[in-house]
Amino acid sequence: RKEVEQDPGPFNVPEGATVAFNCTYSNSASQSFFWYRQDCRKEPKLLMSVYSSGNEDGRFTAQLNRASQYISLLIRDSKLSDSATYLCGMEYGNKLVFGAGTILRVKS
Amino acid sequence: NAGVMQNPRHLVRRRGQEARLRCSPMKGHSHVYWYRQLPEEGLKFMVYLQKENIIDESGMPKERFSAEFPKEGPSILRIQQVVRGDSAAYFCASSPAGGADTQYFGPGTRLTVL
Repeated sequence: RKEVEQDPGPFNVPEGATVAFNCTYSNSASQSFFWYRQDCRKEPKLLMSVYSSGNEDGRFTAQLNRASQYISLLIRDSKLSDSATYLCGMEYGNKLVFGAGTILRVKS
Repeated sequence: NAGVMQNPRHLVRRRGQEARLRCSPMKGHSHVYWYRQLPEEGLKFMVYLQKENIIDESGMPKERFSAEFPKEGPSILRIQQVVRGDSAAYFCASSPAGGADTQYFGPGTRLTVL
């Protein structure tokens, strides 16, 4: 089993839609969780950290479910500019371990 | 405040040549991480360094790959005798302190091995 698993997608959604991604992990010792956004042929950029209490930043909401070992990202009112690959990452010792990414395509 | 800088941005090598990738961390950051991203795959950790020390190289292939972060100058990822399978994007990240909470990525070096 991979340490971090994501549905690769692509998720094709119309503008204004709400879309959610999940990411499951196998190492229960991980303490820090993140969502990164990666545009085509660019570097990953931190979108938000994920906390047990959940956190929200504008149209984006992230949740952590330790019992079921997954994190989620909810995007409301999708914009064309949200089209990207979304990587979940988690701390594992000294490094970040990433999923392979979920592709989101928002269409007008 | 300049971000993480990597050069070259694109590097083409023939099989058997050496590739040297450079990473200058953000100002004030003394922790550097190297990741590799193969086409259609996620980022894979390679090595974590602090100034003059390799802290964790568990993700780096045992042969042909080496990394350093000298007291002065950028961190270097060196790949000797490159093979086609080394073609990938190599990203460097830096953080002010150890741990995963505040890693910022550079723009990456795209290595193509002919």
